[in-house]
Amino acid sequence: QKEVEQDPGPLSVPEGAIVSLNCTYSNSAFQYFMWYRQYSRKGPELLMYTYSSGNKEDGRFTAQVDKSSKYISLFIRDSQPSDSATYLCAMTQYNFNKFYFGSGTKLNVKP
Amino acid sequence: GAVVSQHPSWVICKSGTSVKIECRSLDFQATTMFWYRQFPKQSLMLMATSNEGSKATYEQGVEKDKFLINHASLTLSTLTVTSAHPEDSSFYICSANDRTSGRALNHEQFFGPGTRLTVL
Repeated sequence: QKEVEQDPGPLSVPEGAIVSLNCTYSNSAFQYFMWYRQYSRKGPELLMYTYSSGNKEDGRFTAQVDKSSKYISLFIRDSQPSDSATYLCAMTQYNFNKFYFGSGTKLNVKP
Repeated sequence: GAVVSQHPSWVICKSGTSVKIECRSLDFQATTMFWYRQFPKQSLMLMATSNEGSKATYEQGVEKDKFLINHASLTLSTLTVTSAHPEDSSFYICSANDRTSGRALNHEQFFGPGTRLTVL
């Protein structure tokens, strides 16, 4: 079993739609949860991070963590064509010695 | 935010040659750097973790004699792919932590733009 599971997609939505991206994980020791956005042939860039369970909102983006279910989500409201990219979830334990990434979900927002 | 650069961005080499990839933190001290490999449509695979001034810690299945990592200073780490073969063709990405300045949080990794290696 992989440490982190993520549906690779692709996910295609019309402009303005609400997008839901999800990851599940198996290690209950993970405490920090991140979402990265990666454009083609570029390095990932950090979008959101959350510590432990709860919600965090930043503009059109909302990150949710449910540690009891070992499930994290990223919601994108009013999606734009510029949001088209691959979204990677990542998580780490308290010592940050190693980061575990999901396989990434490719999102396409159609104009 | 903190900036990490990689050089070269794209390299093509013949089978059997060695290729060196540089990863630099431009405006912060990178006490820890991570090297990842990414195949098309797949996620990042951690190859090794390097701490400044000490030997790199390699992940299981990664040949340390094949992928030489040097982290000689707080702003530079290098990955050398020795005797490269076509199966080494991939996208190599480095990332860095800034744990010294207090400017970045411990969980933040700053990624370089990646290096595309093609071995003929």
